[in-house]
Amino acid sequence: DTGVSQDPRHKITKRGQNVTFRCDPISEHNRLYWYRQTLGQGPEFLTYFQNEAQLEKSRLLSDRFSAERPKGSFSTLEIQRTEQGDSAMYLCASSSRRAGQNTEAFFGQGTRLTVV
Amino acid sequence: AQSVTQPDIHITVSEGASLELRCNYSYGATPYLFWYVQSPGQGLQLLLKYFSGDTLVQGIKGFEAEFKRSQSSFNLRKPSVHWSDAAEYFCAVGAGGTSYGKLTFGQGTILTVHP
Repeated sequence: DTGVSQDPRHKITKRGQNVTFRCDPISEHNRLYWYRQTLGQGPEFLTYFQNEAQLEKSRLLSDRFSAERPKGSFSTLEIQRTEQGDSAMYLCASSSRRAGQNTEAFFGQGTRLTVV
Repeated sequence: AQSVTQPDIHITVSEGASLELRCNYSYGATPYLFWYVQSPGQGLQLLLKYFSGDTLVQGIKGFEAEFKRSQSSFNLRKPSVHWSDAAEYFCAVGAGGTSYGKLTFGQGTILTVHP
């Protein structure tokens, strides 16, 4: 298992453009999480999926943000009409939650977004 | 709502010295507690976790942490720091059915190690 994979690792975009990030979780994990981390801060929870269902969204996730996990495997996070305040590291994590057995979250290396 | 406070933004120690990073949490019930480490530009790696049972937990890389309910603390310790331990350390708390992945993080403590 190669762990949680995120693509791209770095993205520079102009203000107003749309961007999409991809996360491939650990294969047997049924839960997937997105976090945002700004400079000098700890990660902040954005949203999570159990299989293909998006079960919770943070108030940080404005209408310009949308996340999907169409087949319960990989996930995408799209930001429309990017703003400079969207510049951050976007982290994906996955975990397993099944009857009687749970694992902690394993994080990917993140996608660093810079909006210019 | 739960919260985590890491009082020390930056700590500097000499290689070989002992280390203690502080973490205080706020949560109404028994928390699930974690320490993660992050190297520059990288994701987070789990050092150790506390779910229940023995309040002194051992982790990877020689780290340990002690859960003290009376003080709402979960401090991270290492008896002898190596230069490779220089990184940023995050304490996190999880709660409820999503406790293992929906986490509230502290602000982080940057560790610098002098030779």
